[in-house]
Amino acid sequence: QSALTQPASVSGSPGQSITISCTGTSSDVGDYNHVSWYQQHPGKAPKLMIYDVSERPSGVSNRFSGSKSGNTASLTISGLQAEDEADYYCNSYTSSSAYVFGSGTRVTVL
Amino acid sequence: QVQLLQSGAEVKRPGASVKVSCKASGYNFIISNLHWVRQAPGQRLEWMGWINAGNGITKYSEEFKGRVTMTRDTAATTGYMELRSLRYEDTAVYYCARPPVGAKGMDVWGQGTTVTVSS
Repeated sequence: QSALTQPASVSGSPGQSITISCTGTSSDVGDYNHVSWYQQHPGKAPKLMIYDVSERPSGVSNRFSGSKSGNTASLTISGLQAEDEADYYCNSYTSSSAYVFGSGTRVTVL
Repeated sequence: QVQLLQSGAEVKRPGASVKVSCKASGYNFIISNLHWVRQAPGQRLEWMGWINAGNGITKYSEEFKGRVTMTRDTAATTGYMELRSLRYEDTAVYYCARPPVGAKGMDVWGQGTTVTVSS
């Protein structure tokens, strides 16, 4: 199973909105509403930010939102803040009853 | 609160095996799956597989099939991941993680276990 495709880096200024894409296939992202997004700061364990495409766990800021269209899922961060600077990974359930992560995106706050 | 506590760092020779444990607390262990994910230095997250803590059924990534075994001890509320025939490229941080209740994904994560393969 190949990794889902994400842009290597995305940047924005404080207060701006940015969107990270996650492209898979009709056997994963396109076929299931089980896409999740993770934030990872250096040296830390990943943190779940979005699950089931657009659901936000308790305690996660509503500045984070998720969506999906066809084989591509997206994570939008609005009102970008310095603490949002981190690596972000998407993940999808697959037709093989397995999971696959994306290639990862480094978010930089300018 | 819900917590996953993993075993300590390991250093292994190439060809050896390693077994990492993940002690769960704060929830009903047997009603949830337990995922295992690894991350090599500077690399992306990589899903290794999951185990149903209730019935012990497993699903492994094709990447690791034949080299990995995931088990659990329900009395000890602990999951285990054993990786055999270790290679230098298996040097990584290994995480266990639990899904959100009634959903898919990985909600609660262990602190990670560093496994170093070195001669």
